[in-house]
Formats: sequence, structure tokens, C-alpha cells
Amino acid sequence: AQSVTQLGSHVSVSEGALVLLRCNYSSSVPPYLFWYVQYPNQGLQLLLKYTSAATLVKGINGFEAEFKKSETSFHLTKPSAHMSDAAEYFCAVSRPGGGNKLTFGTGTQLKVEL
Amino acid sequence: DAGVTQSPTHLIKTRGQHVTLRCSPISGHKSVSWYQQVLGQGPQFIFQYYEKEERGRGNFPDRFSARQFPNYSSELNVNALLLGDSALYLCASSLWAGRDTEAFFGQGTRLTVV
Repeated sequence: AQSVTQLGSHVSVSEGALVLLRCNYSSSVPPYLFWYVQYPNQGLQLLLKYTSAATLVKGINGFEAEFKKSETSFHLTKPSAHMSDAAEYFCAVSRPGGGNKLTFGTGTQLKVEL
Repeated sequence: DAGVTQSPTHLIKTRGQHVTLRCSPISGHKSVSWYQQVLGQGPQFIFQYYEKEERGRGNFPDRFSARQFPNYSSELNVNALLLGDSALYLCASSLWAGRDTEAFFGQGTRLTVV
């Protein structure tokens, strides 16, 4: 079975600082991995996805993530945090034969401080 | 272009009642998935429909059912509501049900069971 684990339910950074949100996956087959963002009282928006092409994936709003098979990780980064990045971030995985059914992590709440 | 629309946005029901949630996918999208997001957790997959056929079902009791109509809109029905059914119910639409197909989420229906 596929699963993802997000380390740190809350992360706080200063505006302009590096953002690093951690995600580790468990999968018996090559996974497809996704990062979604959720703003208060809204649905989920796709930030980026890894589908077995380039291991460094660039997404929207300056975010990127690197797939590291040796570490079973897919951490999300952004060089410089902005106040508008404050939101909840979810890592997700889809499995072969499962269509685009997603299994989500428990989420990381990002707080950006002045 | 209209995104994924869900109705109602909020509702309050009493234990034991029945509820129907509705979702209209993005025009041209033929797949609809439903997710339950309990406060403080990541979304959990309930159902996926593609071309009016069920393509997947999550680990939810038979009190949960869904269907997809010829116009690709969908309904999620929950019978005999329990307090634990209180959650944000998210609908996601996609062009088809392939593994790397992007899922676009609606803003959700906030269900409160009292």
C-alpha cells in the first residue's frame, strides 16, 4: 500500500527565509507524488507533481520539490517565503492501477512571520 | 471558466438524518472523485466515478453512496448520519481517471452533524 508521511504538523518561518516542508513516501512501486496547498475555507490547489520524469520538479508560486528515491523523500522547498504562502500543505501519492485516486498525508500548516 | 462547483457550501444535519451533496465538474471533465477531510487531517478518498461508472471506493461504510449523471455531475449520499461524519467534503474533477491526470478540487461542502 502507498502512503506518505509529513514530518512537522506546523512549520513557522520568517518572511524571506527558506521554506522546507518534509514528505516521505512508502511505496512498493515507483510512486507518483503531488504537493497541494489549501488556503482557509478553500479546496486544494495543485502546486506540483512528480510522475517519473525529472527528479527536480518546479511548480507554481516559486515552489519546487526533489524526488529522492534513496531517501524515499519528496520535500517541498521555496527559497524565500512570502506572507501569502501561509496555508496548509499536503503531500499525496497515487498508485498504479488506482487511477488518480490520491492518498494524502496529514498536512503541514505553514506560518510566515514578519 | 467555471471551476468545480459544490453545493451546498455549508449545512447542518441531525444524527440519523440523510444528506445529499452535489458536485458539478469542470466542463469537459469526465471523472469525479469525492474526499472527506476531517478537521486537522488530510483528505481521505471516498469514491471515484468515470464515465458514470464507479472506478474506486475507499474504506467507508455502506452508508456512503454516490453516483454520476450523464452530464458528469455527481451526488454523494450519506445515510444515518453520525457525529463523526462531520467534515469538509471535497469533490475533485479530472479529464479522465489516469494516474497522472490532475485533479481539480472544489471548495467543498462543510457538513456539521449535531
